[in-house]
Amino acid sequence: EDKVVQSPLSLVVHEGDTVTLNCSYEVTNFRSLLWYKQEKKAPTFLFMLTSSGIEKKSGRLSSILDKKELFSILNITATQTGDSAVYLCAVPDNYGQNFVFGPGTRLSVLP
Amino acid sequence: DAGVIQSPRHEVTEMGQEVTLRCKPISGHDYLFWYRQTMMRGLELLIYFNNNVPIDDSGMPEDRFSAKMPNASFSTLKIQPSEPRDSAVYFCASRPQGEKNIQYFGAGTRLSVL
Repeated sequence: EDKVVQSPLSLVVHEGDTVTLNCSYEVTNFRSLLWYKQEKKAPTFLFMLTSSGIEKKSGRLSSILDKKELFSILNITATQTGDSAVYLCAVPDNYGQNFVFGPGTRLSVLP
Repeated sequence: DAGVIQSPRHEVTEMGQEVTLRCKPISGHDYLFWYRQTMMRGLELLIYFNNNVPIDDSGMPEDRFSAKMPNASFSTLKIQPSEPRDSAVYFCASRPQGEKNIQYFGAGTRLSVL
C-alpha cells in the first residue's frame, strides 16, 4: 500500500527561524513528489520533485528529494508569520492517477 | 478561469438530514476528485472521475455516501443520512488529462453535522 509519512506533525517557531519539514514515502512506482501549502482554504502547489539531489527553490522555500532513501525535505529560511500553514507532501499512487497525501506538518510562526 | 468552484462554503445540518455538496471543475479538465479532510485522518480521497465516469470509489466510507458527475462541468457528493462523524471539510479538485502532477483544489465545503 502506498504511504506518505511526515514529521514533525506540528512545529512552533519564532519569526526568523529556519525550519526543515520531512516527508518519507513508500510507493510501488515512484513518479514524483509534491509539496503543498494549505492555509485556511485549499492546498496550493509549491514544488514538484522528480530527480534526486536537485534542489527546487522559490524565495525562502527550497526542497530536495532523495530517491535512494525515499524522502524529501522542505526548508523555509527566515520564517515569517505568513508561513504559518499546514504543509502537505504527496506522491502519485501506483496508477499515477491520484495522489497519496501525508498527514501534513502544521507550522506556526510566532512574531 | 475562476478555478474549481465548490458550494456551499459552509453547511450546518442536523443528524439524519441529506446533504449535497457541489463542485464545478475547471473547464477542460478531465479528472475530478472528491476529498475529505479531518484533523484525525488528514486528507483522504473519496472518489474520482475521468470524463464523467467514476474510476475509483474505494475511499467512499459507506453506502450513505454517493457521488455523481452528470456532465463535464458539474459533480455532486451526497450524504444521506448524515451523521456527526461526517463533519469535515470536503474538497473537490480537478486536473487535465495530460497533467498528472498537479491537482487544482476548490476552496472546500466545511460540513458540520449536529
